[in-house]
Order: sequence, then structure tokens, then C-alpha cells
Amino acid sequence: AQSVTQLGSHVSVSEGALVLLRCNYSSSVPPYLFWYVQYPNQGLQLLLKYTTGATLVKGINGFEAEFKKSETSFHLTKPSAHMSDAAEYFCAVSYSGGYQKVTFGTGTKLQVIP
Amino acid sequence: KAGVTQTPRYLIKTRGQQVTLSCSPISGHRSVSWYQQTPGQGLQFLFEYFSETQRNKGNFPGRFSGRQFSNSRSEMNVSTLELGDSALYLCASSLFAGATSYEQYFGPGTRLTVT
Repeated sequence: AQSVTQLGSHVSVSEGALVLLRCNYSSSVPPYLFWYVQYPNQGLQLLLKYTTGATLVKGINGFEAEFKKSETSFHLTKPSAHMSDAAEYFCAVSYSGGYQKVTFGTGTKLQVIP
Repeated sequence: KAGVTQTPRYLIKTRGQQVTLSCSPISGHRSVSWYQQTPGQGLQFLFEYFSETQRNKGNFPGRFSGRQFSNSRSEMNVSTLELGDSALYLCASSLFAGATSYEQYFGPGTRLTVT
């Protein structure tokens, strides 16, 4: 069975500081990994995804994530936080083959302090 | 291209009633998934439909059901509502089910309040 753990339900950073949101996964087969962002009163929007190939994945809004198989991690980073980055972020895992559901983490709320 | 639309956006129901929520996927998308989002449980997968057939189902009681029409629009129904069913119900569409990328596009959700 697959699962996702997001460390830290709330993260605060200063504007201009590094953003690091942690995600560890558990999967018995090679995973597909995703990061989604949710702004208040909105649905989720895909930030980036890893399926195969290059382990460093670049997404929208300056975010990137690195797939580390040995650490079973897929942490999300952004070099410099902007006020508009304040939102809730979800890590998710799935895998290929058949009709696979996506399992989401519990989410991390990012607060950006001016 | 229009995004995923969900109707209604807000709904207030009484315990014991039933409710039907609607989701229109992005044009050309054939897969629709439903999720329940609550502060305590996070995002939980309800079910997925592809080509009018349920392809996957989460761990929810039989009071939760869904269907998909030939135009890919989907509805979910909750019968005999309980207070614990209060949640944001999100619909997501994708081109295919089980595709290698499995990229989903989410609607804004329907906020259901059960009193």
C-alpha cells in the first residue's frame, strides 16, 4: 500500500527566505509523485510532478522538488518565498499500471511573514 | 479551455436528507475522481469514474455513490446525511485513468454543511 507523510502541518518563513516543505512516501513499486497547492476557497492546482527520468523536477511559480529514492523523499523547495506563496501544499503519490488512485498527504500550510 | 466546474458551490442540508453534487470535467477529459476534504482527515479518495464505469473506490460507506454520464459529467450522491459528512467535496478530471502522468485538474469544490 502506498502512503505519504508530510512533516509539519504548519511552516512559517520570512519573505525572501528559502521554502522547504518535506514529503516522504512509502510505495512498494516505483512511485509517481506530485505536489499540489490549494489557495483558500479554491481547488488544488498541480505544482509539479515526477514520473520517470530526471530526479530534479521544476514546476510553476519557481518551485522545484527532488526525488530521492534512497531517502524515499520528495521535498518541495523554493529559493525565495513570496507573499503570494502563502497557501496549503499537498504531496501525493500514485504509480503506473491499471487504474491507480492517488494518495494525498495531510497537507502543510505555509505562512509567509513580511 | 474551461476548467472543471462543480455545482452547487455551497450547500446546507439537514441530517437524514440526501444530496447530489455535480461535476463537469474539462472538455475531452474522460476520467473524474471525487475527494472529500475535512480538517481532521485531509483529502480522502471517494471514487473514480472512467467511461461511465467506476474504476476505483475508496473506503467510504455505501451511502456515498456516484455515476458518470456519456458526456463525462459526473454526479455523486450522499444519502442519509450525517453531521460528519460536512466537508469540501472536490472533483478532479484527467484525460485518462491510469495514465502514466495521472495529472488531475481540480474544480473549486462544493462546500457541504450538514446541520
